[in-house]
Amino acid sequence: GQQLNQSPQSMFIQEGEDVSMNCTSSSIFNTWLWYKQEPGEGPVLLIALYKAGELTSNGRLTAQFGITRKDSFLNISASIPSDVGIYFCAGQLRAGTASKLTFGTGTRLQVTL
Amino acid sequence: EAQVTQNPRYLITVTGKKLTVTCSQNMNHEYMSWYRQDPGLGLRQIYYSMNVEVTDKGDVPEGYKVSRKEKRNFPLILESPSPNQTSLYFCASSPYVDHEQYFGPGTRLTVT
Repeated sequence: GQQLNQSPQSMFIQEGEDVSMNCTSSSIFNTWLWYKQEPGEGPVLLIALYKAGELTSNGRLTAQFGITRKDSFLNISASIPSDVGIYFCAGQLRAGTASKLTFGTGTRLQVTL
Repeated sequence: EAQVTQNPRYLITVTGKKLTVTCSQNMNHEYMSWYRQDPGLGLRQIYYSMNVEVTDKGDVPEGYKVSRKEKRNFPLILESPSPNQTSLYFCASSPYVDHEQYFGPGTRLTVT
């Protein structure tokens, strides 16, 4: 299957700092998604990107769909303690009647006061 | 409340004993999917369904079966579970393919 390289694997930052994480793929996707997962819960969608070059914001979160369709990044500005969790990128590729969602391995974010 | 539900949330079983994990959504979504989550590997898709009676393999389908007889339900069946199927399983649904997916709370399965 397709491989998604997500980096960094983990981050330890202080409250108020900005965060940046990214995903790269060996092949293209039609859609890029960013999810956050907290302990004991399923992933929750943060941002969805549908077009190459698209830049989308959701509060303090900003994500972009790379123009090559093989990468995406997520920025979090002015981090707060509740930003703690694991962030996953996911690429979706539709080919005919098939549609697969491939996830990155996640970025674990820790925020210290 | 719009949601995806899974049952059971936790299950410990023995090798070879058939089990089913249920998934149900109340949002009239067409697309449903199963994932397993393992440390260091992220989430990997097991099977997905584009609509009733339409299912297809994901990236790691071996050892699993699914069915989609009704739009709201998408059970995951392990006919003969093995220890390498110990994992955290998530069901997800979306209104249609290409739309963002909404995840259930997860089922933690241990096979001894």
